[in-house]
Amino acid sequence: AQSVAQPEDQVNVAEGNPLTVKCTYSVSGNPYLFWYVQYPNRGLQFLLKYITGDNLVKGSYGFEAEFNKSQTSFHLKKPSALVSDSALYFCAVRAGYSSASKIIFGSGTRLSIRP
Amino acid sequence: EAQVTQNPRYLITVTGKKLTVTCSQNMNHEYMSWYRQDPGLGLRQIYYSMNVEVTDKGDVPEGYKVSRKEKRNFPLILESPSPNQTSLYFCASSLARDSGANVLTFGAGSRLTVL
Repeated sequence: AQSVAQPEDQVNVAEGNPLTVKCTYSVSGNPYLFWYVQYPNRGLQFLLKYITGDNLVKGSYGFEAEFNKSQTSFHLKKPSALVSDSALYFCAVRAGYSSASKIIFGSGTRLSIRP
Repeated sequence: EAQVTQNPRYLITVTGKKLTVTCSQNMNHEYMSWYRQDPGLGLRQIYYSMNVEVTDKGDVPEGYKVSRKEKRNFPLILESPSPNQTSLYFCASSLARDSGANVLTFGAGSRLTVL
């Protein structure tokens, strides 16, 4: 069965330090992987995606994610955190080429950056 | 501005009183979907639509109805709301042709409370 796990409900990081938000997935076939961010009282916004090719994907606001097929992971990273990065982050996976194939979201990780 | 618009943003209602949450997008997207967001559960899909007059159930369709009479609109109908439908609802849309890598654009959310 298709699934996504975000093992940490909350991640706390000091401003200026690197951050990692973890995501592991389980699909049959080649995955399409996404990260979305949700700021307070807003809808989800797209950050980045992995389709194929280079395992390191760069996205918006200085975020990047590394696809690791052997570990079935797609961790979100940023070299230097900002207070404005504080938000709720969702990992998502879609298995299948068609847009009709289901997209599954993780439970979300709340990222808190302290000044 | 390309966007997904949901209304109302906030609603408090009582058990059994029919309500409709509207969703409209101005991007000519074929695919539209409704999600509910609950703490610790992430986003769960309620219904989706691949195009006009084409709708299908997601993971949690019970108690909900949808229709897609026009490409831009995808209303969510709660015929007889119950307290367990108290949640934060998101409408999203994307292109549907050719690729499961299409990115979802989300509305700002509708917070529904059923007393």
